[in-house]
Amino acid sequence: AQTVTQSQPEMSVQEAETVTLSCTYDTSENNYYLFWYKQPPSRQMILVIRQEAYKQQNATENRFSVNFQKAAKSFSLKISDSQLGDTAMYFCAFMRNSGNTPLVFGKGTRLSVIA
Amino acid sequence: DAGVIQSPRHEVTEMGQEVTLRCKPISGHDYLFWYRQTMMRGLELLIYFNNNVPIDDSGMPEDRFSAKMPNASFSTLKIQPSEPRDSAVYFCASRSGQVYEQFFGPGTRLTVL
Repeated sequence: AQTVTQSQPEMSVQEAETVTLSCTYDTSENNYYLFWYKQPPSRQMILVIRQEAYKQQNATENRFSVNFQKAAKSFSLKISDSQLGDTAMYFCAFMRNSGNTPLVFGKGTRLSVIA
Repeated sequence: DAGVIQSPRHEVTEMGQEVTLRCKPISGHDYLFWYRQTMMRGLELLIYFNNNVPIDDSGMPEDRFSAKMPNASFSTLKIQPSEPRDSAVYFCASRSGQVYEQFFGPGTRLTVL
């Protein structure tokens, strides 16, 4: 079974600074997807960024980028130029690339952006 | 498209009562997932369907929980009888088998007194 670990329950960052959220996972699969979801106080789950395991290039979406280290089974999220609206819970998630299986989530990291 | 629709958004009930949560997936999506979110356990998969057929219900906590998907546009999650430990946020999500992204509904916050 796959597991996802987020070792930082809470983090804070000053507005306009950069912050990195950590995620590690355990799997015997070779083909899979990794995701970061954002859950603001509104409770809505929002996809921030995804990474296909077969791609070596790290995914980037505007101010959000990942550092994907497949051998180390590490998938960290970097948020640049942090904004107050980035305050949220962030969940790392794993999905096998075969059989259309569900997402497996980490426990989340609560990020507070401070003005 | 309106996205995944869940009702009610909030539900407060008393222990022992029956609770029914509802979900309408995005049109054309053939996978539907029910998750439960609590502070202690995070986001857990309860059950998921493919083309209205339950595929994996190993996450359903006990016989008090049941889920149905009578057609492609509607699913229910029922708890009978409800207990205080069932208090959580319940999310429904849907996905097309052709793409990777799951779309989540706004969730139902359930409080069992």
